[in-house]
Amino acid sequence: EPEVTQTPSHQVTQMGQEVILRCVPISNHLYFYWYRQILGQKVEFLVSFYNNEISEKSEIFDDQFSVERPDGSNFTLKIRSTKLEDSAMYFCARGGLSNYGYTFGSGTRLTVV
Amino acid sequence: GENVGLHLPTLSVQEGDNSIINCAYSNSASDYFIWYKQESGKGPQFIIDIRSNMDKRQGQRVTVLLNKTVKHLSLQIAATQPGDSAVYFCAEIRNSGYSTLTFGKGTMLLVSP
Repeated sequence: EPEVTQTPSHQVTQMGQEVILRCVPISNHLYFYWYRQILGQKVEFLVSFYNNEISEKSEIFDDQFSVERPDGSNFTLKIRSTKLEDSAMYFCARGGLSNYGYTFGSGTRLTVV
Repeated sequence: GENVGLHLPTLSVQEGDNSIINCAYSNSASDYFIWYKQESGKGPQFIIDIRSNMDKRQGQRVTVLLNKTVKHLSLQIAATQPGDSAVYFCAEIRNSGYSTLTFGKGTMLLVSP
């Protein structure tokens, strides 16, 4: 059983539409993260989430993005009005007990058309 | 600015050879480093890590070397196998308190049988 499950695995959306990417980090961890990877480029940090609050965010994580953990298990990333340049792989990750034991999910490929 | 072009450096080796993948990191305040393997369509997978108070750490078939003087990290894979073919990223954790990973650009390793 994967430790971090992401759904959907692939989502196609029209520009301007809202999308919600979901992550289920199995087991009890306090730190959760979203990263993205534009095709062929390096993985980039978006946001970290600790104790049900955003603890750090990057310049990429603008007002179009939001995260929440609505039911204590699922961890979501919402993009309110998608742009073409939002097309990327989005990875959820959870931190280990020491915060250093990262485990990444298999990702959601978002394609904005 | 950063060079984040679409073309990854590529290392091609024969099965059984030893591989060395290099990475330069940017922040002398970083105190923890991780090597990740990323296969096509999957999330980054932890390989090995090293703290800044060490200069070498060995795992199964892999060794990480850290040279803080020149801010250089390397990953050595012994007896490379076709299953090792993937993109390899180094990542650093800066002393931000929230364990945000900063990834390097990645190197594609191609192993021929």
